[in-house]
Amino acid sequence: GAVVSQHPSWVICKSGTSVKIECRSLDFQATTMFWYRQFPKQSLMLMATSNEGSKATYEQGVEKDKFLINHASLTLSTLTVTSAHPEDSSFYICSARDHPGVSGGKSYNEQFFGPGTRLTVL
Amino acid sequence: RKEVEQDPGPFNVPEGATVAFNCTYSNSASQSFFWYRQDCRKEPKLLMSVYSSGNEDGRFTAQLNRASQYISLLIRDSKLSDSATYLCVVNSWNNDMRFGAGTRLTVKP
Repeated sequence: GAVVSQHPSWVICKSGTSVKIECRSLDFQATTMFWYRQFPKQSLMLMATSNEGSKATYEQGVEKDKFLINHASLTLSTLTVTSAHPEDSSFYICSARDHPGVSGGKSYNEQFFGPGTRLTVL
Repeated sequence: RKEVEQDPGPFNVPEGATVAFNCTYSNSASQSFFWYRQDCRKEPKLLMSVYSSGNEDGRFTAQLNRASQYISLLIRDSKLSDSATYLCVVNSWNNDMRFGAGTRLTVKP
């Protein structure tokens, strides 16, 4: 199956700093990538949909000026948490959508997830 | 009402047991349905898609009832390695994935 990487896997930062998380599809091209956030014992919440070469589409309640998304190429999307605060501490996961026949996905619309980035803001 | 609802569990079962998880979704226009598995502090991984006719993959059987907007996952002959959180996922009208909160399963020796 397709491989998606994320970097860094974990980060600890001081309140007020900005943190950039990278999401890469390693062996396929992903025109669409997704960013999720997951708090402990809760479900994944979609933050935004990232399309290569265009502006991201944010979910209701997600501040686009705080969570900057850039999808500069077919294999890379970045999420920047600007002026992070303790309440932004969470598990951030990206995913890329694949189509069968491109990288052996099990089904249409299968999303391949990165390993996640655990952000802790002090 | 949440778009996708699951019983959070936890389900604690002995090895070899059969266990079933249920999931309901609110959007009748949803088109695609999946079960994902998520291990602690890891990313979700696709377990299986759910088709209208029902489908089986080894010890796992998934069923869909569109009329009742209900999805199920049955695990037979549970293994210790089945311990994880199982996420019900529904493809919404705009092709975005909506995740349930997950059902936690622990299989004990």
